Amino acid sequence: GIQVEQSPPDLILQEGANSTLRCNFSDSVNNLQWFHQNPWGQLINLFYIPSGTKQNGRLSATTVATERYSLLYISSSQTTDSGVYFCAVTISNFGNEKLTFGTGTRLTIIP
Amino acid sequence: EAQVTQNPRYLITVTGKKLTVTCSQNMNHEYMSWYRQDPGLGLRQIYYSMNVEVTDKGDVPEGYKVSRKEKRNFPLILESPSPNQTSLYFCASSFGPYQPQHFGDGTRLSIL
Repeated sequence: GIQVEQSPPDLILQEGANSTLRCNFSDSVNNLQWFHQNPWGQLINLFYIPSGTKQNGRLSATTVATERYSLLYISSSQTTDSGVYFCAVTISNFGNEKLTFGTGTRLTIIP
Repeated sequence: EAQVTQNPRYLITVTGKKLTVTCSQNMNHEYMSWYRQDPGLGLRQIYYSMNVEVTDKGDVPEGYKVSRKEKRNFPLILESPSPNQTSLYFCASSFGPYQPQHFGDGTRLSIL
């Protein structure tokens, strides 16, 4: 099956810092999503981004499908950004609608 | 309010006692799925459903059953739970498999 690797596994930053989270995947995909799991365990969809670049406030994401990676940028970090960030993909294969998650990046923002 | 509702939120039970975790969505989504989350393993898909009466296995379907008799509901059934099914379970829905997923708040199951 498809391999989804995220880096770094852990990241600790001071409030106000910027960060870049990476998601590498081993096969062609037609679906890539970024999620944030907050400290209370809730999973929030951040971006649906199979290709290209999107921005939402302090967050932006870029997927380069031909090179099989996606990046999530967080600028001017706040303590509420803490939690685990997951990327998830579906491979480009008709009849396969499974969503595969990476193991996540745990982000801790220190006041 | 658009939401995915799971029940129960927490459950402690014993090996072999059948249980059902319900999942309901009010967004008229066609695609629904179940995941389990375990430390160090991330989220793994158990089953998914493309529409009513259409279900398929995810990556870890062993020991679980699902049904999709109505569009809004997608219950997860553990016929004979075992301790290795102790986990945090999430239900999700979307308009399609390639559309943004909306997650419920999770169900923490402990099988003793």
